[in-house]
Amino acid sequence: QQQVKQSPQSLIVQKGGISIINCAYENTAFDYFPWYQQFPGKGPALLIAIRPDVSEKKEGRFTISFNKSAKQFSLHIMDSQPGDSATYFCAASIGGSARQLTFGSGTQLTVLP
Amino acid sequence: DSGVTQTPKHLITATGQRVTLRCSPRSGDLSVYWYQQSLDQGLQFLIQYYNGEERAKGNILERFSAQQFPDLHSELNLSSLELGDSALYFCASSPLQRAGANVLTFGAGSRLTVL
Repeated sequence: QQQVKQSPQSLIVQKGGISIINCAYENTAFDYFPWYQQFPGKGPALLIAIRPDVSEKKEGRFTISFNKSAKQFSLHIMDSQPGDSATYFCAASIGGSARQLTFGSGTQLTVLP
Repeated sequence: DSGVTQTPKHLITATGQRVTLRCSPRSGDLSVYWYQQSLDQGLQFLIQYYNGEERAKGNILERFSAQQFPDLHSELNLSSLELGDSALYFCASSPLQRAGANVLTFGAGSRLTVL
């Protein structure tokens, strides 16, 4: 099964709060899990990515938590800012690279000032 | 600007028609990917080319075809268009065929509206 399930569909957070977006996958062959950020009128842009040999990766205010046994991974945005308001997509692929990404359905994040 | 150029930005056409979407990859990138983004299907992988050769196929309809030219630009041809083909079509490029820190860089997309 090549599906990646993402939740929630939309998320509203106050400025300074923590935004959490979750994804779950079925295919245990997936070995590359990126998160993409998309602003209106733009293409998705890579935000952060993780491979299954680590349980957490942090870049600035963005952290991926990865649970291999549960086949779940999540994006945490600390100290959320209005400029973070965008659509976030989780994705997965096989072969440790970004080719042929299978995307989640997306989460529209709104950070209120 | 991501470095991936897509034209046209917007395209309105009628059912049954044929259109061509064009993509110029980021300088130095050999792989080109096409994705379709629609409200009901989300982002779906269509096809990948590497240095002129087809490398992988996803959920691409038989009415759709693509190619990558020697200068590495790519075209996605959509024919016998249906209302359901209305979507954003994204091109992405990456430097390598597989493995490594192979980051996909997306263009801004071509919005196709079929009336």
